[in-house]
Amino acid sequence: EVQLVESGGGLEQPGRSLRLSCAASGFTFDDYAMHWVRQTPGKGLEWVAGISWNSGHIEYGDSVKGRFTVSRDNAKNSLYLQMNSLRPDDTALYYCAKGSSLVASSVTDAWGKGTTVVVSS
Amino acid sequence: DIQMTQSPSSVSASIGDRVTITCRASQGVSNWLAWYQQKPGKAPKLLIFAASSLQSGVPSRFSGSGSGTDFTLTISTLQPEDFATYYCQQTDSFPLTFGGGTKVEIK
Repeated sequence: EVQLVESGGGLEQPGRSLRLSCAASGFTFDDYAMHWVRQTPGKGLEWVAGISWNSGHIEYGDSVKGRFTVSRDNAKNSLYLQMNSLRPDDTALYYCAKGSSLVASSVTDAWGKGTTVVVSS
Repeated sequence: DIQMTQSPSSVSASIGDRVTITCRASQGVSNWLAWYQQKPGKAPKLLIFAASSLQSGVPSRFSGSGSGTDFTLTISTLQPEDFATYYCQQTDSFPLTFGGGTKVEIK
């Protein structure tokens, strides 16, 4: 069974940084792309970033480009999101999601339960 | 960026009804279109990929159609467990984008 467990969320002040982690199990991690998707309370879904199986292709959503960095460690079956220069509108539930194939443009076929990030002074 | 517009934003329906949700892309995405279902307090679940391919384990009452800019998700016979919010997503080009969602409510 695929399991994705996010951690690292919390309350942080504007301008500061947070690092989210996602521990994956139940599948061959380095066979699949991975994604971060966020959701604001009562609002819809926003794709944040995607990374191919070997980190060779990385893409970001417009609102986080230049501030967030996605990375993965295939030896540790882990996905990360380094979030710098945080803004109040980064407040959201952040999901780690498994891609359905190697490529960064793949659909997401399994999701974690999410970790909440609140950016406020 | 490709904008995804869903309609309606909400629909009230009864058990056994046929429900149709549409998704329009601001430019062509070929068949790179997925549909997700999200229930309150839960993560989204993939229903349909490549516009019309049913994800493993998803009931056959769900179906998808369309290509280019116009897509449809149909629930042929609405069941109690289908009351949820549905999202489309294009995976044709970056950034990947979602529609605003359609909430299917009990009539």
